[in-house]
Amino acid sequence: EADIYQTPRYLVIGTGKKITLECSQTMGHDKMYWYQQDPGMELHLIHYSYGVNSTEKGDLSSESTVSRIRTEHFPLTLESARPSHTSQYLCASGMNVGEQFFGPGTRLTVL
Amino acid sequence: DQQVKQNSPSLSVQEGRISILNCDYTNSMFDYFLWYKKYPAEGPTFLISISSIKDKNEDGRFTVFLNKSAKHLSLHIVPSQPGDSAVYFCAASPGDDKIIFGKGTRLHILP
Repeated sequence: EADIYQTPRYLVIGTGKKITLECSQTMGHDKMYWYQQDPGMELHLIHYSYGVNSTEKGDLSSESTVSRIRTEHFPLTLESARPSHTSQYLCASGMNVGEQFFGPGTRLTVL
Repeated sequence: DQQVKQNSPSLSVQEGRISILNCDYTNSMFDYFLWYKKYPAEGPTFLISISSIKDKNEDGRFTVFLNKSAKHLSLHIVPSQPGDSAVYFCAASPGDDKIIFGKGTRLHILP
């Protein structure tokens, strides 16, 4: 079954730690996206990729980085987590304009 | 400055009645509009979309109406069912692969 996966689902860590949020999709989509969402707020695009070795920054500035070495995998890394990074991170993939398939999200809390 | 606005944070509707969710946008370059539905602890799922060349698109119980002159779109759900209780995000795209989301409207279907 084609799907999009995110791990971990929940993460609580201390300030200064390095973390990687994993995202994988089995749909063969070239386009993948990372969004950040705070409660009651809109989703903000922070990174996107059009294919292997392609990464671009989104509309919302983020201290995170991404990589796209394989089509199915689009991990997001924070080198040194801070409380301001506390948020929900949603990964998505898609082929057609607009229609994106989202993973379940990772809820990150930085103490 | 929000480009996609959902001015009602929440809406309560009796089961079996019509639910109408509204959305306004400011960018006249948007040419594709979407609605996503989100349950707690899950990622958003695509619901229905409409191209700017149309003024109505229907899919089962869900109909989206677009009024370009007023920069307004709405989602009608009829009849409303308990499983429709969720957060609904209005979104728009200028035709590239990016989507701009609204803040969402929480719909409560009352028994």
